[in-house]
Amino acid sequence: GAGVSQSPSNKVTEKGKDVELRCDPISGHTALYWYRQSLGQGLEFLIYFQGNSAPDKSGLPSDRFSAERTGGSVSTLTIQRTQQEDSAVYLCASSGRETQYFGPGTRLLVL
Amino acid sequence: DQQVKQNSPSLSVQEGRISILNCDYTNSMFDYFLWYKKYPAEGPTFLISISSIKDKNEDGRFTVFLNKSAKHLSLHIVPSQPGDSAVYFCAASAWNSGNTPLVFGKGTRLSVIA
Repeated sequence: GAGVSQSPSNKVTEKGKDVELRCDPISGHTALYWYRQSLGQGLEFLIYFQGNSAPDKSGLPSDRFSAERTGGSVSTLTIQRTQQEDSAVYLCASSGRETQYFGPGTRLLVL
Repeated sequence: DQQVKQNSPSLSVQEGRISILNCDYTNSMFDYFLWYKKYPAEGPTFLISISSIKDKNEDGRFTVFLNKSAKHLSLHIVPSQPGDSAVYFCAASAWNSGNTPLVFGKGTRLSVIA
């Protein structure tokens, strides 16, 4: 079946603008995760949704970052007032059990 | 404090030989371990995983070994092929504790030379 999809694949924005990144998980997967990979770094956990439970936001780096998951499926990660240090690849993953499957990522560049 | 460490940033191996990628972890709560492969401009692709109740898991050319007492795991690829050239990430979670987000190492870039 279809894998995890993300849009846009690339986003260039100006410092101070807001951006929205979208993730479509694998159908039937109850868990959805957002990670980011900054240049030369490993993947860093941001936020996690499991079913109807309150999301685990423990990885969000600041209150400029937020995410929602509508109807237990599609998720949107929003970054307000973007800063240059927000430039990274933002990756979404979904899982039915232990194994997480990743989308292709959104490459965000903040000028 | 890095909980998952991949101490070799890069590794070069001759085609047909064995590639061994290593990973160390510090958190004794980790009970599920995964290896992902990543090509440039693509998301990580799941390769193989192992639960802490096992010490070995094999899938075709890929074998993962887990040494819980040493908090060490390794990925063996044999025989290595040029298409295996990619960045390999080790990841861990405390799945049975309900702490499911993955903690990743910084990756090892594998180059398989024809």
